[in-house]
Amino acid sequence: SQQGEEDPQALSIQEGENATMNCSYKTSINNLQWYRQNSGRGLVHLILIRSNEREKHSGRLRVTLDTSKKSSSLLITASRAADTASYFCATGINDYKLSFGAGTTVTVRA
Amino acid sequence: DAGVTQSPTHLIKTRGQHVTLRCSPISGHKSVSWYQQVLGQGPQFIFQYYEKEERGRGNFPDRFSARQFPNYSSELNVNALLLGDSALYLCASSSVGLADYEQYFGPGTRLTVT
Repeated sequence: SQQGEEDPQALSIQEGENATMNCSYKTSINNLQWYRQNSGRGLVHLILIRSNEREKHSGRLRVTLDTSKKSSSLLITASRAADTASYFCATGINDYKLSFGAGTTVTVRA
Repeated sequence: DAGVTQSPTHLIKTRGQHVTLRCSPISGHKSVSWYQQVLGQGPQFIFQYYEKEERGRGNFPDRFSARQFPNYSSELNVNALLLGDSALYLCASSSVGLADYEQYFGPGTRLTVT
């Protein structure tokens, strides 16, 4: 079973707009990570947020974490065509294993 | 520096056959993890090896096995292939093999079982 669940499953936005996706998880975590996957290829690490952090930024990415609600959000600002990809949240399980959600597919229209 | 490499890129096998997938981690990384990603789903954890020892195993049948070599490269073996084994197989390396740290993924091996 998967620990995290992303919402929405799919998102279509215009270039320049912001994209927001959410992740909910079931059990306590040490950290939560977001990954991007282009066209069924390898995953690229975007950002890691630890359980004692509430917000983290990296370039056009902003991640929030609410441990009381067991949820996280990823915001991509000023989207570009190159942001078209699937985005996955992943939580650390048993210290070594990452548990991924089913992902949000983002399409950025020119 | 080279990233994580995987071979082959694509593979087509017949039901009942055996397959071996290979992974070379980033230089200096001692941990390799294997994930299976079925179309439309997120990656599912199969194995992790650290310093040539199996650290963990996901909910996969005994048909799946793996090993790590002294140079930290790894092989994933799947016996008696089923149609449901068709997936993208991803290898990830990290320096310490803990989920508290970033995992570096390879491009994957696309396995099709007919």
